[in-house]
Amino acid sequence: RKEVEQDPGPFNVPEGATVAFNCTYSNSASQSFFWYRQDCRKEPKLLMSVYSSGNEDGRFTAQLNRASQYISLLIRDSKLSDSATYLCVSSTGGGGNKLTFGTGTQLKVEL
Amino acid sequence: EPEVTQTPSHQVTQMGQEVILRCVPISNHLYFYWYRQILGQKVEFLVSFYNNEISEKSEIFDDQFSVERPDGSNFTLKIRSTKLEDSAMYFCASSLYQSQETQYFGPGTRLLVL
Repeated sequence: RKEVEQDPGPFNVPEGATVAFNCTYSNSASQSFFWYRQDCRKEPKLLMSVYSSGNEDGRFTAQLNRASQYISLLIRDSKLSDSATYLCVSSTGGGGNKLTFGTGTQLKVEL
Repeated sequence: EPEVTQTPSHQVTQMGQEVILRCVPISNHLYFYWYRQILGQKVEFLVSFYNNEISEKSEIFDDQFSVERPDGSNFTLKIRSTKLEDSAMYFCASSLYQSQETQYFGPGTRLLVL
């Protein structure tokens, strides 16, 4: 079983739509969670950290359900510039603090 | 805004050759990482480094790989004898603290082994 699992998409949505991405993780020792964004052939860039209480940053809302080992990202009023691959990421913290990435969900926002 | 830089942006090498990938982490950061991404696949952790020592390494990071912080600013990844399957994008990252701390990624070095 993959440690971090995401639907690869692509999700093709019209501008202005609301889109939701889901992610599950298998390692119950995971402590921290993030959504990163990756544009084609570029480096991952942090979109937002995910907190147990849920958190919002402008049009983006992230939720974490530790009991279900489930993470979500909601994008409201999507824009053309949101087109990218969204990476669900977990970390167990600890000595190495390695990040474990999902394969990513591709989003294409169209006119 | 401070950023992680990496050189070269692209490197082509022959199988069996040694390559050194260079990174300059954000200046006040204390934790350094290498990740790789084979084309079309997910980003994979290679190694983390703190206080001049490897903190953690993955099973990908075998004896062919080594890391070094030769001075106060550079962080390097050496692949001793490259294989075709080492072809990938290699990302360096750094963070100020450890747990729950954002890791900032450099733009990557695209390595092609022929």
